[in-house]
Amino acid sequence: KQEVTQIPAALSVPEGENLVLNCSFTDSAIYNLQWFRQDPGKGLTSLLLIQSSQREQTSGRLNASLDKSSGRSTLYIAASQPGDSATYLCAVDPGLETGANNLFFGTGTRLTVIP
Amino acid sequence: DADVTQTPRNRITKTGKRIMLECSQTKGHDRMYWYRQDPGLGLRLIYYSFDVKDINKGEISDGYSVSRQAQAKFSLSLESAIPNQTALYFCATSDRPTGVVYNEQFFGPGTRLTVL
Repeated sequence: KQEVTQIPAALSVPEGENLVLNCSFTDSAIYNLQWFRQDPGKGLTSLLLIQSSQREQTSGRLNASLDKSSGRSTLYIAASQPGDSATYLCAVDPGLETGANNLFFGTGTRLTVIP
Repeated sequence: DADVTQTPRNRITKTGKRIMLECSQTKGHDRMYWYRQDPGLGLRLIYYSFDVKDINKGEISDGYSVSRQAQAKFSLSLESAIPNQTALYFCATSDRPTGVVYNEQFFGPGTRLTVL
């Protein structure tokens, strides 16, 4: 069974700092990896999706990388802002091996950006 | 208006009661999912549906049932609620995959269920 780990569980940084969130997974046979943001009372918002054939994806100040062979992904946030404060979740999709695009989630990193 | 909506947003109930959580989507997606989130455990899949006539169990389906009333509606039922079903429940949707490219999932705002 695929297991997804996110370290650290919580992170506090001053506004303006660049930061990296880490995600690791045990089975490298994945079809994609998705990063989400979770705000209290607002559910999950998809940030970036990286297909297995891709190495990275960028959206604004966010850059996500994927290294399937080592079972790792990182989410880089540039010039952090207080509005970036949230819990960030990564999820891997094993694809056809389970017959569904069933996501396996990590437990998240709670980010606080201090003004 | 939100693309994926869930009702109710919060519910407190007692052990043994039957509870239904509802999910509706306007994205036109074929696939719908129910997850639960517990502190320290991440989200886990309960049931998923690829279309109205295709429903499948996920990782933790015991104690739950679902109904796909239409392409846009997917309901989760707890036939006899128990306290360890206290959790945050999410509905999600995705489009059908194109080739081997699986598409991203879009989530509703969640339902916070407390079973006393």
